[in-house]
Amino acid sequence: EAGVAQSPRYKIIEKRQSVAFWCNPISGHATLYWYQQILGQGPKLLIQFQNNGVVDDSQLPKDRFSAERLKGVDSTLKIQPAKLEDSAVYLCASSTRGGEQFFGPGTRLTVL
Amino acid sequence: AQRVTQPEKLLSVFKGAPVELKCNYSYSGSPELFWYVQYSRQRLQLLLRHISRESIKGFTADLNKGETSFHLKKPFAQEEDSAMYYCALSTAGGTSYGKLTFGQGTILTVHP
Repeated sequence: EAGVAQSPRYKIIEKRQSVAFWCNPISGHATLYWYQQILGQGPKLLIQFQNNGVVDDSQLPKDRFSAERLKGVDSTLKIQPAKLEDSAVYLCASSTRGGEQFFGPGTRLTVL
Repeated sequence: AQRVTQPEKLLSVFKGAPVELKCNYSYSGSPELFWYVQYSRQRLQLLLRHISRESIKGFTADLNKGETSFHLKKPFAQEEDSAMYYCALSTAGGTSYGKLTFGQGTILTVHP
């Protein structure tokens, strides 16, 4: 089966600019996760969706980060405006409810 | 709040030697523990979970609730085991079903 798809794979922007990431989960997976992985650290959950509803966004910096999952399939994560400390790999994962999480290849963001 | 600690950032062994990657956790409830692995230029993937109690690629891990540990072990390391290993914890039940908290990761290098 096709895996989780993410785009772009790499993005370089200047601070205070905006950026958006896209994720297409595995077909039939109702749960979608966005993680932030800063260099040298493990992934940290930013937001979890169940279908198109938010289950957990307690660690999402809501003053600059936003995410949506319209129609309960694809999802976008946006940062506006970006800061230097947002440089990281952004991972998308999907699962059936309570099932194993399958990860995408990630988007590497560099903020200059 | 839950926390996962992997005390070793780097671990080097020779082929054929035993290997143990340490993981300690803190969580007041009943946790699910996982080991994830990321091989060079590949996606993050599940290696094993404690509830399945199975050996994957020769690796085993036992949940020790008394010591709050979930160490990953393999009796004879192979060069192809070289990778980044993450210990992760999931809180059972509640609305954040499947949310993972990751440790910082351990880079395992197996020398020929």
